[in-house]
Amino acid sequence: EDQVTQSPEALRLQEGESSSLNCSYTVSGLRGLFWYRQDPGKGPEFLFTLYSAGEEKEKERLKATLTKKESFLHITAPKPEDSATYLCAVRDNQGGKLIFGQGTELSVKP
Amino acid sequence: NAGVTQTPKFRILKIGQSMTLQCAQDMNHNYMYWYRQDPGMGLKLIYYSVGAGITDKGEVPNGYNVSRSTTEDFPLRLELAAPSQTSVYFCASSSDGGARGYTFGSGTRLTVV
Repeated sequence: EDQVTQSPEALRLQEGESSSLNCSYTVSGLRGLFWYRQDPGKGPEFLFTLYSAGEEKEKERLKATLTKKESFLHITAPKPEDSATYLCAVRDNQGGKLIFGQGTELSVKP
Repeated sequence: NAGVTQTPKFRILKIGQSMTLQCAQDMNHNYMYWYRQDPGMGLKLIYYSVGAGITDKGEVPNGYNVSRSTTEDFPLRLELAAPSQTSVYFCASSSDGGARGYTFGSGTRLTVV
């Protein structure tokens, strides 16, 4: 059974304190790993797609990396506006459905 | 460009009542999805559709029903609402089966009392 596990559940950082979020997955034939950002009261917003081990994507202070078993979302010198819940998902090979992890709630204090 | 529009944004139902959550997209996407999100549980797939006239069950379909008569609309029907259906519901769409991710609506917060 396809499964996605994110850690930690919650992360509190000081502004400028870099860290990483983890997404571990088991899937029969990875067809994409996705990172989303979700602000309170809003729908998830697409950040990145990764397809193969060794691939990296960057956007401002965020960098996503992928291995055969997990993905990391690295946050460099975060700002308070980076506070949000970050969701990881894998795409299955039946109808392109996304299977989501439970999310990591990031709080960045000034 | 509206994207994915969900209505209503909030709703309180009594146990046993029924309602329809509306979802419309204006991007001509073939694929549409309904997820529910409970605190600490991530997003769970309820139903999905790969095109007009075609729907299929997701991980948690019990107590729900869907129809897809047009490309634009994908309503979710709740029959005989139960407290376990208290959740935030998200509709999403994609043009390519999710290869480049989904576009999500802003959600409907439903409380069943």
